[in-house]
Amino acid sequence: DQQVKQNSPSLSVQEGRISILNCDYTNSMFDYFLWYKKYPAEGPTFLISISSIKDKNEDGRFTVFLNKSAKHLSLHIVPSQPGDSAVYFCAASENRDDKIIFGKGTRLHILP
Amino acid sequence: GAGVSQSPSNKVTEKGKDVELRCDPISGHTALYWYRQSLGQGLEFLIYFQGNSAPDKSGLPSDRFSAERTGGSVSTLTIQRTQQEDSAVYLCASSLTIGTQYFGPGTRLTVL
Repeated sequence: DQQVKQNSPSLSVQEGRISILNCDYTNSMFDYFLWYKKYPAEGPTFLISISSIKDKNEDGRFTVFLNKSAKHLSLHIVPSQPGDSAVYFCAASENRDDKIIFGKGTRLHILP
Repeated sequence: GAGVSQSPSNKVTEKGKDVELRCDPISGHTALYWYRQSLGQGLEFLIYFQGNSAPDKSGLPSDRFSAERTGGSVSTLTIQRTQQEDSAVYLCASSLTIGTQYFGPGTRLTVL
């Protein structure tokens, strides 16, 4: 039973436009959420995180939004660039437990 | 700067053989994690080491899988009597604090 769900396996976005990647979770004990980015043949790299005490965290072109009541978070990338083409993993953890649960990932294609 | 390293990068083995995968975490990182990514799947948590505490083995799929971490540093993941369904990319990550895990490049295991 998946606790972290990324329902879109892939997404294509025009360069310069906004990319929105979505993630849903089922465990109400999760209170720390992360996004990782993965290029082929490389390990995932940390992108951005958000604690449950916030509903938004911004870092340059990347913004993560958290809707606790809906158990939903999203990653916005604006403007999208060709180098953003990668697989993006949503992940979550309970604060007292460092075990992080990952979603299946969404492959983002940035179109020229 | 040294990141997380894993060896070998690729391993091809025959069904029924044992394999050992190695992870060298970032120096000083107290937490070490093993994940695997099967084709079309997300990152599946396998095992987590934190300092001198007993490891969290809750993600190991069967008793053919085991891992150890010697001296609080290097870790070895052992798969005994490999099966074809064990074919995956095995990823190691380490962290100093909750959240920001640094991943190695992974070991691609192919069981023939």
